[in-house]
Amino acid sequence: EVQLVESGGGLVQPGGSLKLSCAASGFTFSGSAMHWVRQASGKGLEWVGRIRSKANSYATAFAASVKGRFTISRDDSKNTAYLQMNSLKTEDTAVYFCTRLGFDAFDIWGQGTMVTVSS
Amino acid sequence: QSALTQPASVSGSPGQSITISCTGTSSDVGGYNYVSWYQQRPGKAPKLMIYDVSNRPSGVSNRFSGSKSGNTASLTISGLQAEDEADYYCSSYTSSYTRVFGGGTKLTVL
Repeated sequence: EVQLVESGGGLVQPGGSLKLSCAASGFTFSGSAMHWVRQASGKGLEWVGRIRSKANSYATAFAASVKGRFTISRDDSKNTAYLQMNSLKTEDTAVYFCTRLGFDAFDIWGQGTMVTVSS
Repeated sequence: QSALTQPASVSGSPGQSITISCTGTSSDVGGYNYVSWYQQRPGKAPKLMIYDVSNRPSGVSNRFSGSKSGNTASLTISGLQAEDEADYYCSSYTSSYTRVFGGGTKLTVL
């Protein structure tokens, strides 16, 4: 079965850090670009960032709102992508989805993991 | 990168057709044929409905179609059904090698 499963969400204080994981199965993870998308409660989707495949030098890119605070990595041997979030702000509170880029679009999505930044 | 512009809401009666617009700039929607559309039901992950402006993934009803003119892309749903009621988002590749979403459109089937 093709699926993505996020984990690692939770409650963190402002200024803190959190690392999310995205475990993939059922498709060739190593050849896929993986993206992170977030959604604050009652709000729209916001693209967070992406990591390309080894063939594309594991290149990363980020939205301006998280650049310099978030990093993305991957471990192809574990079929897992990661989102490291540092210097968290209350406005980072959201459900975080990982998604695969296929067909030049996001064709596989995880169920999301909730991140709450609050004191 | 500013979000793409979508109407906040649209509505239609069963059997009718509706169109949702998605307006960007020449640096995103107008510059590339990498526009996609997603359906999201409450509490669920988004689902890909259209990719590369007008292509449907396997399993998506042919009642869904996409197009683009200049800096504006459009999603049309024909033969509206109650099950189509959901939020819809467009997305585009950008000249900054990033992706951007629209603000989302709530579709109500009357």
